[in-house]
Amino acid sequence: RKEVEQDPGPFNVPEGATVAFNCTYSNSASQSFFWYRQDCRKEPKLLMSVYSSGNEDGRFTAQLNRASQYISLLIRDSKLSDSATYLCVVNGWSISNSGYALNFGKGTSLLVTP
Amino acid sequence: DAGVIQSPRHEVTEMGQEVTLRCKLISGHNSLFWYRQTMMRGLELLIYFNNNVPIDDSGMPEDRFSAKMPNASFSTLKIQPSEPRDSAVYFCASSSGAGFLSSYEQYFGPGTRLTVT
Repeated sequence: RKEVEQDPGPFNVPEGATVAFNCTYSNSASQSFFWYRQDCRKEPKLLMSVYSSGNEDGRFTAQLNRASQYISLLIRDSKLSDSATYLCVVNGWSISNSGYALNFGKGTSLLVTP
Repeated sequence: DAGVIQSPRHEVTEMGQEVTLRCKLISGHNSLFWYRQTMMRGLELLIYFNNNVPIDDSGMPEDRFSAKMPNASFSTLKIQPSEPRDSAVYFCASSSGAGFLSSYEQYFGPGTRLTVT
């Protein structure tokens, strides 16, 4: 089982729509959680950290459910410029690596259309 | 401020040749990460340094891969000999704090797109 799993999509949504992505992780000892954004042929960049109580940054809301071991990202009023791949990232003790590791999901592709 | 700098941005080489990728950290950062990204496997951590010391190299595919950090701001990733299956985008990322033991953001370089024919 992969450490971090995401639906690859693509999610095709019209401008102005609300879209949500989920991500599940396998290691219950995971400590830190992030969403990164990666534009086509570019490097990943941090979008937002995910806190236990949930957090919001403008049109973006991140939630963490430790009991079910999943993280979500909600984008409201989506813009054309939101088109990108969104990577779920989990930081925690990795059994496979026998050490701390930052595990990236393969990403969910979002395309916002006019 | 300059971000993470990687060179070359593109590399095309023939199987069996040696490839050296370079990375310069953001000034003041003390953790460095080398990643490889492919469509099939996504983003994979190859090796991680903290204060110039390799902490976890369990992601390095095999002995053909080696990484060094000769000083606090610079690192190289070498593949010798290269093989077609090494074709990927190689990212370097840097972070402040204690790397994995913290929640500090990782800043990625623009990547090196490697093609081995």
